[in-house]
Amino acid sequence: NAGVTQTPKFQVLKTGQSMTLQCAQDMNHEYMSWYRQDPGMGLRLIHYSVGAGITDQGEVPNGYNVSRSTTEDFPLRLLSAAPSQTSVYFCASSYGGGAGETQYFGPGTRLLVL
Amino acid sequence: GQQLNQSPQSMFIQEGEDVSMNCTSSSIFNTWLWYKQDPGEGPVLLIALYKAGELTSNGRLTAQFGITRKDSFLNISASIPSDVGIYFCAGQSIYGQNFVFGPGTRLSVLP
Repeated sequence: NAGVTQTPKFQVLKTGQSMTLQCAQDMNHEYMSWYRQDPGMGLRLIHYSVGAGITDQGEVPNGYNVSRSTTEDFPLRLLSAAPSQTSVYFCASSYGGGAGETQYFGPGTRLLVL
Repeated sequence: GQQLNQSPQSMFIQEGEDVSMNCTSSSIFNTWLWYKQDPGEGPVLLIALYKAGELTSNGRLTAQFGITRKDSFLNISASIPSDVGIYFCAGQSIYGQNFVFGPGTRLSVLP
């Protein structure tokens, strides 16, 4: 299994540009989530999905959209990038979202917005 | 929202020393996870805890689920240079299914 994969690894955007961060998992996990990590802070939840066709907002959803058309893929869209969205983005998945489910993380996408 | 506190924020130790760090919450958690993040990588799960009082080991690492369900502890014995990294705790509360992460403890091991 490849586990959780993320593309691209690095991206530089200009303010106002849009882009999609890709996330895929091959473990047949129902629960997928997106986090951002900023210096000196823990991971903060942006959006999550408990299964195909179902998404919900996390702690910091503003400026981001998600969709979940398949179990495997969970892309994160930035419609109009802002410098405040400069961060490292991690995708994670788990078999379910219930108590006791452990999450597995992708390698991250480093985004710089100028 | 819920917050986790981790202490210490950072620590410098000599190779061979033991390490202790902890994570506290203002609310009760059902699950505690400990992750390690190497530079430029995603967090990797070290230990998962599911019951109050549970003590679980993974090699030189030992973690405990606090009896109050509001804290957890991670110990590393006989540290080695590859232990360098950031250690995150994460908790899943009884009120929701999402995990909350602490700010991390940055560990440096001096040869």
